[in-house]
Formats: sequence, structure tokens, C-alpha cells
Amino acid sequence: AQTVTQSQPEMSVQEAETVTLSCTYDTSESNYYLFWYKQPPSRQMILVIRQEAYKQQNATENRFSVNFQKAAKSFSLKISDSQLGDTAMYFCAFTPMDSNYQLIWGAGTKLIIKP
Amino acid sequence: ETGVTQTPRHLVMGMTNKKSLKCEQHLGHNAMYWYKQSAKKPLELMFVYNFKEQTENNSVPSRFSPECPNSSHLFLHLHTLQPEDSALYLCASSLGGDLNTGELFFGEGSRLTVL
Repeated sequence: AQTVTQSQPEMSVQEAETVTLSCTYDTSESNYYLFWYKQPPSRQMILVIRQEAYKQQNATENRFSVNFQKAAKSFSLKISDSQLGDTAMYFCAFTPMDSNYQLIWGAGTKLIIKP
Repeated sequence: ETGVTQTPRHLVMGMTNKKSLKCEQHLGHNAMYWYKQSAKKPLELMFVYNFKEQTENNSVPSRFSPECPNSSHLFLHLHTLQPEDSALYLCASSLGGDLNTGELFFGEGSRLTVL
């Protein structure tokens, strides 16, 4: 079975610090997409960053970057210079490229940025 | 109108009631989804429509009935629900077809409480 594991149910850091959220997954597929989604309190879930498994270069989006280790099936998210607005639930997910649109989701990490 | 809109945002219903959740997307997408989100659990995919055709039904009880009259609208009809059905129900859309990359665009959700 394909699974996604987020081992940190909750984390908190001080504003401006760097924080890394962990994600591991299990699949026998070789071609897939990986995602980090953010769900702020009472607001819409939005895509933070996406990685294609065939790309060796780690994806970056401004203060957000990933450490993708395909052999280890690890996909961690690093948030640099954290801001109060980064407080949210963060979900890791992946989908095989021929999956008929089914994303496999982790249970989420609640991230709290303290002033 | 922005993105994906869900109504109502909050719904309280008895076990014998019949109600419906509505989702509308203004992104020109061709695939729409219903997810169930419960605390500390991965998102559960309920239904997928691609070009108005239902492509996935992940063993969802028949007390949940989806309807997709066109690519922009999606409904979830609810009847004789159970208290364990209380959750946040998320609607999402994506490009669909061969353009699908797994990226989803979510609504803010409908918080359902079954008494």
C-alpha cells in the first residue's frame, strides 16, 4: 500500500527561525509528483511547493524549499525566516503520474510560529 | 468570484435530515473532488469527477450522494447521516484530463455537525 508519514504532529518555533517538516512515503512507482500543502486556520488549503520525482534538483519557492531524497523516499520542507503567517497545518502528499487523480496524503503537521 | 467556493460554510443537521453541500469553481477546470477531513487523519478522497463523469468512488456509504451537473458545479447530497460523519468536507478542482499534474485548488470547506 502507498502511504505518507508525517512524524511530527505539532511543532513550534520563534518568528524568523528556520524550521524543517519531515515527510516520508512508500511507493513502488518510479514517476510521481510530491507536494506540500498549507492549510491556515479557517482558510483554504493552498499548494506551497511541488516536486517531480524525475528531477534531481530540489524545488524552491521563495522561503520554502524541499530536500528530496528519492532513494530514501524522504521529502522534507524547510521554511526559512519563518513568519507569523506561516502558522498552519502542513500536509505532505504524492501522486503517481498515472494515478487517476488520487493523491495520497499524510496526516499533517501543525506548525505554530511564535512572536 | 475567486477560485473554489463552497456553501454553506457551516451546517448542523439531525440524523434524519436531508441537506446538500454545494461547490462551484471559476477556474475553468475539468476535474472536481470531494474530500472528508477529520482531525489528525489524512484527507479521505470521497468522489472524483473528470469532465462530469464520476471516475472514483472510494467505498463511500450511500448516505453520501454526489452530483456533477457541469464541470463548474459539484454537489454532495446528505441523508440519514451518522454522528461519525461530522467533519470538514472539502471541495477541490484540478485541470483534469491529460493536463492533470496532481495540483488541487481547494475551497474553504463546509463544517458539518451531525447531532
